Amino acid sequence: EPEVTQTPSHQVTQMGQEVILRCVPISNHLYFYWYRQILGQKVEFLVSFYNNEISEKSEIFDDQFSVERPDGSNFTLKIRSTKLEDSAMYFCASTRGSYGNTIYFGEGSWLTVV
Amino acid sequence: QQQVKQSPQSLIVQKGGISIINCAYENTAFDYFPWYQQFPGKGPALLIAIRPDVSEKKEGRFTISFNKSAKQFSLHIMDSQPGDSATYFCAASDSGGYQKVTFGTGTKLQVIP
Repeated sequence: EPEVTQTPSHQVTQMGQEVILRCVPISNHLYFYWYRQILGQKVEFLVSFYNNEISEKSEIFDDQFSVERPDGSNFTLKIRSTKLEDSAMYFCASTRGSYGNTIYFGEGSWLTVV
Repeated sequence: QQQVKQSPQSLIVQKGGISIINCAYENTAFDYFPWYQQFPGKGPALLIAIRPDVSEKKEGRFTISFNKSAKQFSLHIMDSQPGDSATYFCAASDSGGYQKVTFGTGTKLQVIP
């Protein structure tokens, strides 16, 4: 079964450092997402990306966050100047089409900011 | 108004029993209601989903009941098995929202032998 792959699986970074989380969505998918899950809490939407631009973002996705699809396969989340409260599991997800199509989640990148 | 409320927070069920998880929403624009299953260290995986034009959907041991007027929906797991032990999230999205999924707070299910 096709899957969304994420790297790294775990990253520890110092507060104030920049972090890039990488994702390879399923190859024929057109919609891409980042979600995050703080330990023990619910999964929260960060951003959706379609046709090479952000289609929607949450209030969490402020100026310290950015996304990019630098080539035909990778989808990245950059966090500039990380804060302690950015510590969370970050999930990349993708789907082939909107409305009702299954969204496939990756296994996550666990970010620890110290 | 974007919230999806989920209960209970945790649930312990004996093997063979029925697990029931309830959710409620307020945003009437929501028109797609998936349930996700998450094992520790893994990403959420779609379990079953329903649209509001039907009141019930069944797939194997998993059934979603949907009450549009009450804006509530629930997941029933029949003949619960230890392998069903996981965290379950109800969720909702609307067709105009690029599939932005709003998750409930999660229910940690433990099925004991």
